[in-house]
Amino acid sequence: TQLLEQSPQFLSIQEGENLTVYCNSSSVFSSLQWYRQEPGEGPVLLVTVVTGGEVKKLKRLTFQFGDARKDSSLHITAAQPGDTGLYLCAGSVTGGFKTIFGAGTRLFVKA
Amino acid sequence: KAGVTQTPRYLIKTRGQQVTLSCSPISGHRSVSWYQQTPGQGLQFLFEYFSETQRNKGNFPGRFSGRQFSNSRSEMNVSTLELGDSALYLCASSLSLNNEQFFGPGTRLTVL
Repeated sequence: TQLLEQSPQFLSIQEGENLTVYCNSSSVFSSLQWYRQEPGEGPVLLVTVVTGGEVKKLKRLTFQFGDARKDSSLHITAAQPGDTGLYLCAGSVTGGFKTIFGAGTRLFVKA
Repeated sequence: KAGVTQTPRYLIKTRGQQVTLSCSPISGHRSVSWYQQTPGQGLQFLFEYFSETQRNKGNFPGRFSGRQFSNSRSEMNVSTLELGDSALYLCASSLSLNNEQFFGPGTRLTVL
């Protein structure tokens, strides 16, 4: 079974703290996406990484794709209450024909 | 460029009824996927359509069906509704199979 495991499942932090969310698999992915979802809305695509070792930055968010393309991380610097939401990773397995989603990390940033 | 649109946004039905949800993908996108999202189960894959053909299917009963039209718009149907079908139903479009997906706002279905 091809799985994407996300950790932690839940994170509650104070405004200004840093955090890292992980997405791991035993499968190799041709690409991997990170989404943020707010309650009652659809997930919004944040970034797509495709190259092993790739690092992308989006303001205070840093995304990294593992060298072997089996894992990824999302690091948020100086978290703000507006970062609160469900973070999902998703990937397309190399040679596969389906997108796989992780179970998500629910982040709550307290003011 | 307009995003993915889903109609209706909210729906209330009773057990035993059927429902049809609609999704219009981003212009130029030919693949449409459907997901069910509940607090307990997370995002569950229903099916994916490309060029009017179902290409992938998740582990849902036959009460859940879908189709895609020549203009890439898609509909999903749920017959004989059960209480457990209450969920947020999300549609996502992509240029082709295996490309990054863009989600619509979802349809919140409540079954009473």
